[in-house]
Amino acid sequence: EIVLTQSPDFQSVTPKETVTITCRASQGIATSLHWYQVKPGQSPKLLIKSASQSISGVPSRFSGSGSGTDFTLTINSLEAEDAAAYYCHQSSSLPNTFGQGTKLEIK
Amino acid sequence: QITLKESGPTLVKPTQTLTLTCTFSGFSLTTTGECVAWIRQPPGKALEWLALIFWDNDQRYSPSLQSRLTVTKDTSKNQVVLSLTNMDPADTATYYCAHRNDEFDYWGQGTLVTVSS
Repeated sequence: EIVLTQSPDFQSVTPKETVTITCRASQGIATSLHWYQVKPGQSPKLLIKSASQSISGVPSRFSGSGSGTDFTLTINSLEAEDAAAYYCHQSSSLPNTFGQGTKLEIK
Repeated sequence: QITLKESGPTLVKPTQTLTLTCTFSGFSLTTTGECVAWIRQPPGKALEWLALIFWDNDQRYSPSLQSRLTVTKDTSKNQVVLSLTNMDPADTATYYCAHRNDEFDYWGQGTLVTVSS
């Protein structure tokens, strides 16, 4: 089973800052890595697919990069509405797995 | 437009079997390549992948739950059914079904299932 380790677990940031969340896979997964945003009481929302591909309707301040074992989600010019938990997910092999999540607090 | 919605009990007793139904629209599980996933999230914890069912009835399960978990499909009703036996308080979670296109691009609203006597 591929383990995904996210860092940090928690980050408190101010609006307009840029945030970087990393996801490290325990073995190479090419670009089979996707990012989701989860807000309290809401279903997860797909932000980025295949490491770096943007999703229609997702603000352009969200971007992703990486391949192999190291991946990054970057949120530019943070807005208050970005307060949420963020999860990476690998679909390279079964069982699919998720990272442990990163909780983002907006000051 | 793809939509999914989970339905089932909100409260189950320990040792009982949980049965949840995912009713979807906008795609068909008779179409080559289509797949539906089940994922859950215990309160305050991370997302956990549970299972996949493919258009050809191939089923894949989380190793930690494989002995307790079954997923089936009814293509005439556009439904996928999850059964989880021998429920435990640790199985308390919001259960989601999702459309899988490698990534999980569409999610149901989720249903909170509490396991308590």
